[in-house]
Amino acid sequence: AQSVTQLGSHVSVSEGALVLLRCNYSSSVPPYLFWYVQYPNQGLQLLLKYTSAATLVKGINGFEAEFKKSETSFHLTKPSAHMSDAAEYFCAVSEFGNQFYFGTGTSLTVIP
Amino acid sequence: EAGVTQFPSHSVIEKGQTVTLRCDPISGHDNLYWYRRVMGKEIKFLLHFVKESKQDESGMPNNRFLAERTGGTYSTLKVQPAELEDSGVYFCASSRDYGSEAFFGQGTRLTVV
Repeated sequence: AQSVTQLGSHVSVSEGALVLLRCNYSSSVPPYLFWYVQYPNQGLQLLLKYTSAATLVKGINGFEAEFKKSETSFHLTKPSAHMSDAAEYFCAVSEFGNQFYFGTGTSLTVIP
Repeated sequence: EAGVTQFPSHSVIEKGQTVTLRCDPISGHDNLYWYRRVMGKEIKFLLHFVKESKQDESGMPNNRFLAERTGGTYSTLKVQPAELEDSGVYFCASSRDYGSEAFFGQGTRLTVV
């Protein structure tokens, strides 16, 4: 069975500080892993995805995530937070590239 | 290229009424998915179309929910009769190929009162 756990439903960081959003997954086969972002009043937008190539994945807007099989983690990071990063972030896993299993989401607040 | 479009963006209905949500996928995308997010919970899979056929409907909550995809183009999700617990945001997504990136619509916020 597949599942995703996102630690911290709300995360606050100061502008310019490191952003770290945590995601742990369970999967019985090597998974596809994704991070999506939802800005207010918008749909889900793909930030980045891991599909068994390089374990460090770079996405849009300066975000990146590292796949760590031993820790079953896929944490999302950004070195320096910007006000425009305030949004809700979702981690998702897919075993065969079809349906996604999402975490409960993490709402990121950036403090000026 | 137009994205995934969902109608309406918001809907407020009374318990027992019927509501139909519509999703227009990106042109050429054979795969269409419906998801739902109940407030505070995770986004959950409802079903998956490949063209006009239901590939997987294991996530449909009960028989009050009916999804169709006419001619493999747009899709509708009907809830009849609606119950209070059906409230949430319904997302539609489409992808060109199995395993390729899924593009999501902005969602329909359904409130049943």
